[in-house]
Amino acid sequence: GESVGLHLPTLSVQEGDNSIINCAYSNSASDYFIWYKQESGKGPQFIIDIRSNMDKRQGQRVTVLLNKTVKHLSLQIAATQPGDSAVYFCAENNPGDSSYKLIFGSGTRLLVRP
Amino acid sequence: DADVTQTPRNRITKTGKRIMLECSQTKGHDRMYWYRQDPGLGLRLIYYSFDVKDINKGEISDGYSVSRQAQAKFSLSLESAIPNQTALYFCATSVRDTYNEQFFGPGTRLTVL
Repeated sequence: GESVGLHLPTLSVQEGDNSIINCAYSNSASDYFIWYKQESGKGPQFIIDIRSNMDKRQGQRVTVLLNKTVKHLSLQIAATQPGDSAVYFCAENNPGDSSYKLIFGSGTRLLVRP
Repeated sequence: DADVTQTPRNRITKTGKRIMLECSQTKGHDRMYWYRQDPGLGLRLIYYSFDVKDINKGEISDGYSVSRQAQAKFSLSLESAIPNQTALYFCATSVRDTYNEQFFGPGTRLTVL
């Protein structure tokens, strides 16, 4: 598949363990924060989003935590599976601008060891 | 996602050539986007379109142009390709009021020699 990042931060976890992927954002006025997953050779795929007035949101096997005090976002994956191996991007919306554009971070590679 | 298709999937061209990348979607979404992805960087927005008559520049529109031929089709052109436009290009769509969730095509790998 295509290489989406030769020097990305990498998180290596054992299959079955929990994974925590972190993201720092810069704009305290952002209204939404979003996580995308990109598997090798594919386009990014939406996982979950959270609004700025929330601290936590849960999905299927995933939890997103938002700490506005330190401008930190995390994605927790429970019972990590081989199919979770991918590059994960956080994104935020562009506030004060009615265009509704997303600003993406540079990504973290998750490797799941069998 | 087979609902968003991009052609070609791979293209090698020479400096100065005009290149068009095409995107089609069967999702019925109003909004379409073109992004560029470089190694070690996230996706950067080139152009976006909220409907056929509404086209807007993104972060890095210089050297690119777009055409929204129909609701389902959004093409990206490089009028005179240069080597630093070598990248992965993604098209995406979203529904009118839910831009957080964008549906991406499989990407086009463009190499400019």
